[in-house]
Amino acid sequence: GESVGLHLPTLSVQEGDNSIINCAYSNSASDYFIWYKQESGKGPQFIIDIRSNMDKRQGQRVTVLLNKTVKHLSLQIAATQPGDSAVYFCAENMSAGGSYIPTFGRGTSLIVHP
Amino acid sequence: GAGVSQSPSNKVTEKGKDVELRCDPISGHTALYWYRQSLGQGLEFLIYFQGNSAPDKSGLPSDRFSAERTGGSVSTLTIQRTQQEDSAVYLCASSPRGSGRGGTGYEQYFGPGTRLTVT
Repeated sequence: GESVGLHLPTLSVQEGDNSIINCAYSNSASDYFIWYKQESGKGPQFIIDIRSNMDKRQGQRVTVLLNKTVKHLSLQIAATQPGDSAVYFCAENMSAGGSYIPTFGRGTSLIVHP
Repeated sequence: GAGVSQSPSNKVTEKGKDVELRCDPISGHTALYWYRQSLGQGLEFLIYFQGNSAPDKSGLPSDRFSAERTGGSVSTLTIQRTQQEDSAVYLCASSPRGSGRGGTGYEQYFGPGTRLTVT
């Protein structure tokens, strides 16, 4: 659940469970979204992306869902593994404005218990 | 192929000193970004370079921060007269935007970061 203050929201799951990480984005004009995974001591790593003309996209063990009506993005991880433990960030981009500077969400810490 | 590299990986400096952080982007990537990440926080945008265009400096927190990108490749982020609140991990990312090397141009490839500690 959500935490306040300086702590990141945290999701704790058991190995093998499915995980759902949520993100609320701010700009209704954003049309391209990316999920990144950041492991401890490393830079963020691209996981999956989705354009605003889609509402679902699947990758390997991951699915991204986009609900433009409520400006909500989610990342689903199937059969979560300990190696999935990391901080997950969503990023929104607005191509129409010609800006390639994404806006990153605050991040969610996923903890997978073996 | 080689990813984005950054150096040094760790830097400890005394308050008031200047520091330079280096980023080597992926070869051929035309876009380069600097971010700052404080402990347990998200990514704070600092500056964006795209090809030979003037950089977008809108995220730099003060005039003590500056960055250069030479020859459209290597970039250096300089922090003058460092303060304790500058302590953070500084991340560099590059993107293939406009390079003709595929991708949407929006996805970013991050380096491992430089952890800066100002004492």
